[in-house]
Formats: sequence, C-alpha cells, structure tokens
Amino acid sequence: SSELTQDPAVSVALGQTVRITCQGDSLRSYYASWYQQKPGQAPILVIYGKNNRPSGIPDRFSGSTSGNTASLTITGAQAEDEADYYCNSRDSSGHHWVFGGGTKLTVL
Amino acid sequence: QVQLQESGPGLVKPSETLSLTCTVSAGSISSYYWSWIRQPPGKGLEWIGYIDYSGSTKYNPSLKSRVTISVDTSKNQISLKLSSVTAADTAVYYCARQNWASLIYHFDYWGQGTLVIVSS
Repeated sequence: SSELTQDPAVSVALGQTVRITCQGDSLRSYYASWYQQKPGQAPILVIYGKNNRPSGIPDRFSGSTSGNTASLTITGAQAEDEADYYCNSRDSSGHHWVFGGGTKLTVL
Repeated sequence: QVQLQESGPGLVKPSETLSLTCTVSAGSISSYYWSWIRQPPGKGLEWIGYIDYSGSTKYNPSLKSRVTISVDTSKNQISLKLSSVTAADTAVYYCARQNWASLIYHFDYWGQGTLVIVSS
C-alpha cells in the first residue's frame, strides 16, 4: 500500500472546478508534486512545490497543501484534462520517494 | 530541450536480470538526480530508485535487494539492473530527471517509457 493516498476516481462537469487530493504524513514536512498521465503516454509534471507550474501548463491548474493533505485544483476543467493524476513526495522516512495510487479524472 | 530515451530488451525470462539504459540528450547528467520509475499494465506508478550527480543511490526498500542503478557520464547514460525478475516485474519502465532547484524536488523530464515483459 502507498504512503500517499488518493481517491481512485473523481468526476467533474465540463467547465466546473475539481479538487484532487493526496493524503500522507510526509506531506506535513515535504511538498508534493503532481503528474498528469493520459493513456499510452508518459506522465507530465503539472504542479510542484508550494504552487509552481512548469512552462506550458495552463493556469487553471493550481496546488495547495493543508496539514497532511496536498490538493491539485483544476478551475474550469476542460475535456483535455481527462486523465490519471498522481501525486509524489517523500516517504515517511524522508529518504525515498513514493507515488500516490492515482486518481482517474473524468470530465463529463 | 532535454530528452530521455529508454532502451533495452522488451522480453526477459523469469529469474534473469532486466537491464535498461536511459540516454540523455540536449542536457548534462550533472547537477540532477536520475530516477527509474515503473508502471505495471493498468496500475499506478512505482518509484524504483535514483542516482544523483555524485553517484550516490537510493532504492525503493521493496526492491533494494534486486536493484542497481549506475551512471556513465561519458555517454550521458543511466542504467538500471533488476535481478531475479518474475512476472510481477512486467511493466513500462520510465527514466526521469529529478530537479531539485531551491530544494523543491520534482520529476521535470520523463522518457517515453519502455515495456518489459517477463515471460518464458
């Protein structure tokens, strides 16, 4: 079992806002990063650190952390946002890295 | 633009050693961490381990006894060896660059991945 817990599936209506969460004790000490993966493709980084977006990632993607929970928020979800989303951070030891189990986002 | 390309056998027999290479182009291996990550068919991502710019390594505790990651800076290549493989090691294997600017760690570049099937 992963030390980072994500809901397996989330859905959102087109144009609405959705929050994808990631829970884990290590998140009290370390930032999470978030990855989007579409079928048959490699993951791509969408959010890292406090709330940083790599070049080319739309500003509708944002990140936040509260306590042991990191969140990825998509404000005004688009059809092309339908994908699997994974969080990543250090494990409880702080010496290794771990991914959450992933959240499948469906845009209705 | 940094590019990563994984290469190696797509089929490995049970009990043998899986060997993959990641070639980095348009960028230096120095100053970054380089990880291997895998994804079994239909499942989530699993971090295997990394090697840093100094050659130090860290491995997933669940795989530590079977994994070796090394780097050849002259060829800009990172290698993965996973011994005593079983069907459970069947997965798409990715290499990824881990950036740590301002001590904020994140995987900013990924290879396209290579599928390795363990079967006799």
